[in-house]
Amino acid sequence: ETGVTQSPTHLIKTRGQQVTLRCSSQSGHNTVSWYQQALGQGPQFIFQYYREEENGRGNFPPRFSGLQFPNYSSELNVNALELDDSALYLCASSSDRVETQYFGPGTRLLVL
Amino acid sequence: QKEVEQDPGPLSVPEGAIVSLNCTYSNSAFQYFMWYRQYSRKGPELLMYTYSSGNKEDGRFTAQVDKSSKYISLFIRDSQPSDSATYLCAMSYLGAGNNRKLIWGLGTSLAVNP
Repeated sequence: ETGVTQSPTHLIKTRGQQVTLRCSSQSGHNTVSWYQQALGQGPQFIFQYYREEENGRGNFPPRFSGLQFPNYSSELNVNALELDDSALYLCASSSDRVETQYFGPGTRLLVL
Repeated sequence: QKEVEQDPGPLSVPEGAIVSLNCTYSNSAFQYFMWYRQYSRKGPELLMYTYSSGNKEDGRFTAQVDKSSKYISLFIRDSQPSDSATYLCAMSYLGAGNNRKLIWGLGTSLAVNP
């Protein structure tokens, strides 16, 4: 088990609603990345935060936004939920390189 | 053509078999090559991480990188039922803004039968 935790584990929302997912990074890690993983797909990079600043973003619309806090925990917010947002949302933390990041167990989001 | 290609399987082998998992890629800028294991309903777990062409061994796992052919492999010796999982390859390069970008394969589903 890594030291990365995510909450909640499962979530059901309806189209148009907003959701906030949370991630607690491994101790000593100052970088957090968020990924979306659809069923049968590899993770898709959403964005990365380094010391509370966004440090890179994938091809996701602005309704996907995030925050990183002084203790390096992080939130992912998704507004105006769409059916295609149904996926496993993964948080990963690292101290120096994205290549050696540690993943949390994910939050499974279902949008109806 | 996707930047990283990985056959999703499923792959089914008997216990004790040698398993070979592969990915091909098209982007010569990729520098680091990773293999992750993902159990059902869990996050990916880093297994192996390599930089240069050649082999890297860790217990029953061997990662192989051939940059000239743009081909990477993960070999699992003496496979166990506990190895049943999805195996994802991932590759990174230095992108715009001096940020490292990670590109993932689709993952190969492996079942090791007792």
